Amino acid sequence: NAGVMQNPRHLVRRRGQEARLRCSPMKGHSHVYWYRQLPEEGLKFMVYLQKENIIDESGMPKERFSAEFPKEGPSILRIQQVVRGDSAAYFCASSSEVENTEAFFGQGTRLTVV
Amino acid sequence: LAKTTQPISMDSYEGQEVNITCSHNNIATNDYITWYQQFPSQGPRFIIQGYKTKVTNEVASLFIPADRKSSTLSLPRVSLSDTAVYYCLVKGDYKLSFGAGTTVTVRA
Repeated sequence: NAGVMQNPRHLVRRRGQEARLRCSPMKGHSHVYWYRQLPEEGLKFMVYLQKENIIDESGMPKERFSAEFPKEGPSILRIQQVVRGDSAAYFCASSSEVENTEAFFGQGTRLTVV
Repeated sequence: LAKTTQPISMDSYEGQEVNITCSHNNIATNDYITWYQQFPSQGPRFIIQGYKTKVTNEVASLFIPADRKSSTLSLPRVSLSDTAVYYCLVKGDYKLSFGAGTTVTVRA
């Protein structure tokens, strides 16, 4: 059973370009979470999705950021018109529907905006 | 969400036991206490979760007093590879809120 898969592991974008980060949850998991981590800091919650639904996007900037988790395929975190401040590690986690089960994290995507 | 407080850093030596205490004074009745470990450039890895008293698995033990306002993660006989950041989280629902964590450095 493969773990949470994120790709790419590293992504370099110029200012103003778009960044697309992909996350395939563990098999059987229908809950996906995205977190952002700046250097030397803890992870900050961004968004929580279930299949085809955004449940909580309170941690996601209102502008330029969007997330989806379609019925088929991976979850996508999309950042439009990237700026240098978007440079960070973005982690995806998934969990099953059973309450209080642990969330499993992927290896993250390290985004660098140049 | 209950706020957690834990030491910023701890140093230890190989073979010693490491105990990290986390304070969560306003924990809610239905909240669980969860600990994660993170190595540089990797995603957090689940270590242990508990609600009250003591929980033990092959990696660690978690001690939770009756009032549940704090918890202690115990790592027995640490090795160099246990050097990492350890996060204490209070999980009442889906949202895991990470603080700065405790950087544990194990020396030879």
